[in-house]
Amino acid sequence: GAVVSQHPSRVICKSGTSVKIECRSLDFQATTMFWYRQFPKQSLMLMATSNEGSKATYEQGVEKDKFLINHASLTLSTLTVTSAHPEDSSFYICSATGVTMNTEAFFGQGTRLTVV
Amino acid sequence: DAKTTQPPSMDCAEGRAANLPCNHSTISGNEYVYWYRQIHSQGPQYIIHGLKNNETNEMASLIITEDRKSSTLILPHATLRDTAVYYCIVSPTDSWGKLQFGAGTQVVVTP
Repeated sequence: GAVVSQHPSRVICKSGTSVKIECRSLDFQATTMFWYRQFPKQSLMLMATSNEGSKATYEQGVEKDKFLINHASLTLSTLTVTSAHPEDSSFYICSATGVTMNTEAFFGQGTRLTVV
Repeated sequence: DAKTTQPPSMDCAEGRAANLPCNHSTISGNEYVYWYRQIHSQGPQYIIHGLKNNETNEMASLIITEDRKSSTLILPHATLRDTAVYYCIVSPTDSWGKLQFGAGTQVVVTP
């Protein structure tokens, strides 16, 4: 299957600071990328959908000014958690689909964010 | 609202087949059935998907009932590494990749 890589795999930051998470498609062009969040013992929750070169579409209840998403190229999307608070601590996961792929999406390995 | 219903947990003996059921009684004609799994603290892994016909790949088989209201994922020879949460998801063809995860089934494969 196609490879999607996230960086960093885990990060600890102080309250009030911003953290950027990168999601890269390594062997295909990702026209659409998705960002999910997963709290302990819960399922994945879709946060937003980003298409290359356009603004992200956020799910209801997700603050677009807090979770900044940029999808500037066909191989890279970034999620920036701004002014992080302890309640933002979570497992953030991206996925990607491409035009030349079959109808499945491939996921990154996830980023564990801890805000202290 | 969850569009699929799965049992919360299931145990399976190593080497035996694991049959994971999923109900999706409100599935629409343009929706695929997808199966993903998530091993602890990792991103989900694609397993298989189908629309109407049964499907098989190197990982699993997917059996979809004729009315498409339910399906079964079959892991033919479960190994300890198959221990994971398995998610059955229905998703329309016009929004590929946009997946709404339910609670899934926690599968534990025991020696």
